[in-house]
Amino acid sequence: GIQVEQSPPDLILQEGANSTLRCNFSDSVNNLQWFHQNPWGQLINLFYIPSGTKQNGRLSATTVATERYSLLYISSSQTTDSGVYFCAQTGANNLFFGTGTRLTVIP
Amino acid sequence: DAGVTQSPTHLIKTRGQQVTLRCSPISGHKSVSWYQQVLGQGPQFIFQYYEKEERGRGNFPDRFSARQFPNYSSELNVNALLLGDSALYLCASSLGGMNTEAFFGQGTRLTVV
Repeated sequence: GIQVEQSPPDLILQEGANSTLRCNFSDSVNNLQWFHQNPWGQLINLFYIPSGTKQNGRLSATTVATERYSLLYISSSQTTDSGVYFCAQTGANNLFFGTGTRLTVIP
Repeated sequence: DAGVTQSPTHLIKTRGQQVTLRCSPISGHKSVSWYQQVLGQGPQFIFQYYEKEERGRGNFPDRFSARQFPNYSSELNVNALLLGDSALYLCASSLGGMNTEAFFGQGTRLTVV
């Protein structure tokens, strides 16, 4: 099956710092999504990005489908950015998730 | 517009019991998928339904079953609960088809004691 690897597994930042989260895939990219899981467990959609670059405020994402990776950039991090970030790729009928990056932003 | 809604939000059951979790998709979405997330891991696929038909099944035992109703809402049933079934159960809704964006509900946190 599809393997999704995320790095780093854990990240601690000072408020205001920038960060880059990476997602590697074992198979060609069809549908690629980034999520932020809040402390209550809900997965919040950040980006739907099979290829190219998208930006939404302080967040942006880039997927290089030919090289099977995606990057999530967080600029000027805030304490509310804390949580677990997941990337997920579509298989035949479902999403395959990575193990996540746990981000902690310290005031 | 309402997002994906799941009920209940929390549930405590005893080993051997049965549980039913419910999900209402976003209006206009015809596909519902179920995922199990245990602590410290990413969500794992259980089932996908599209237009009331099962389109995919993950590597879960037959104790897990699901169905989708004419209004596209869905139920996930788990029989003979084990301690290891304790997890966050997430429902995802999408328009359907291979490359459509999925949206998740807030989840049902199941604890088996």
